[in-house]
Amino acid sequence: EVQLVESGGGLVQPGGSLRLSCAASGFTFSDHYMDWVRQAPGKGLEWVGRTRNKADSYTTEYAASVKGRFSISRDDSKNSLYLQMNSLKTEDTAVYYCARPNSSFDYWGQGTLVTVSS
Amino acid sequence: DIQMTQSPSTLSASVGDRVTITCRASQSISSWLAWYQQKPGKAPKLLICTASSLESGVPSRFSGSGSGTEFTLTISSLQPDDFATYYCQQYSSYPLTFGGGTKVEIK
Repeated sequence: EVQLVESGGGLVQPGGSLRLSCAASGFTFSDHYMDWVRQAPGKGLEWVGRTRNKADSYTTEYAASVKGRFSISRDDSKNSLYLQMNSLKTEDTAVYYCARPNSSFDYWGQGTLVTVSS
Repeated sequence: DIQMTQSPSTLSASVGDRVTITCRASQSISSWLAWYQQKPGKAPKLLICTASSLESGVPSRFSGSGSGTEFTLTISSLQPDDFATYYCQQYSSYPLTFGGGTKVEIK
């Protein structure tokens, strides 16, 4: 059974940093691209970014709203995905989901809440 | 960026109704479109990919159609479990983008 479990969310002040993790199981993690998607409270879904697999050189893509502030990485030996978030803004407050793209997103984690507030 | 516009934003319907949700892309995305269902406090669930391919385990009352810029999600006979918010998403090009959502409410 495919499982994605996010962790690392919490309360952080504007300008601060936070690192989210996503632990994957039930599939060959190293074969897959992996993404982060977020959802602000009461709002719709927003794609954050993607890391490709080793075969595609672990290259990344980002939404314009986070480019230069957020960084996606992975550790295939630990079946883990990461989202390093720097220079956080109040508008980054959201539930952050890791998701597996198989063209569309066929598996999602349960999400972890990040609150950016003073 | 490709903008995805869903309509309506809210829909009130009764059990047994036929429901149609529309998603329009600001430029052609061929059939690179997915539909998701989300219930409060839960992660989205994939219903349909490549515009019309039903995901395994999804009831056959759900169907998708369209290509290019116009797409529809149809629920042939609304069931109590279907009251939720539905999102379309294009994966034709980066940045990947979602529609604003359609909340299906009980009439």
